[in-house]
Amino acid sequence: AQSVTQLGSHVSVSEGALVLLRCNYSSSVPPYLFWYVQYPNQGLQLLLKYTTGATLVKGINGFEAEFKKSETSFHLTKPSAHMSDAAEYFCAVSDLAGGTSYGKLTFGQGTILTVHP
Amino acid sequence: ETGVTQTPRHLVMGMTNKKSLKCEQHLGHNAMYWYKQSAKKPLELMFVYNFKEQTENNSVPSRFSPECPNSSHLFLHLHTLQPEDSALYLCASSPLLGSSAGELFFGEGSRLTVL
Repeated sequence: AQSVTQLGSHVSVSEGALVLLRCNYSSSVPPYLFWYVQYPNQGLQLLLKYTTGATLVKGINGFEAEFKKSETSFHLTKPSAHMSDAAEYFCAVSDLAGGTSYGKLTFGQGTILTVHP
Repeated sequence: ETGVTQTPRHLVMGMTNKKSLKCEQHLGHNAMYWYKQSAKKPLELMFVYNFKEQTENNSVPSRFSPECPNSSHLFLHLHTLQPEDSALYLCASSPLLGSSAGELFFGEGSRLTVL
């Protein structure tokens, strides 16, 4: 079984400040990990993903995340927040590496990011 | 522009109505999904179709009936719903091979309100 925990349902930062959104996972197989972003009244858009290889993953809009197996974490960061980053962010884990023929994603409960001027 | 299109974007229905949600993907993917997104709850996987065959039903009540006539189209038929079924219903597709294997591509969702 897989699960994802996102610490903090709401995070508020000032424009230009560091963004840190936390995600911890549990998985019985090597995980594939994802961060998605959802803007109001829209679907989810992929920010970045980790499958294998380099543990520091860079995504769109200046975001990056680091896979830390020992900590079972996949925290999302951005050095300098922009007003347009205000959205809800979801961390997800897939069991695809476990040999299923499709990737079933399990999502965290989401973190709403607010960016203040 | 999304490669996954959902219609309608908004739907209001009474508890005795029958309606359907439609999803179409133009990405050549072979797996399609329905997720339910309710306020203050994680996204809930409802159904998975793999090469038109249902491979996952996550204990969804029978008032939700999926249909996948081909790999590009997915429907969710709604009948005798309850107010607690009001939510955003998200369709997604994914490739099974290649660098994007397992990655979900989402539509913009259908916002359902049950009165």
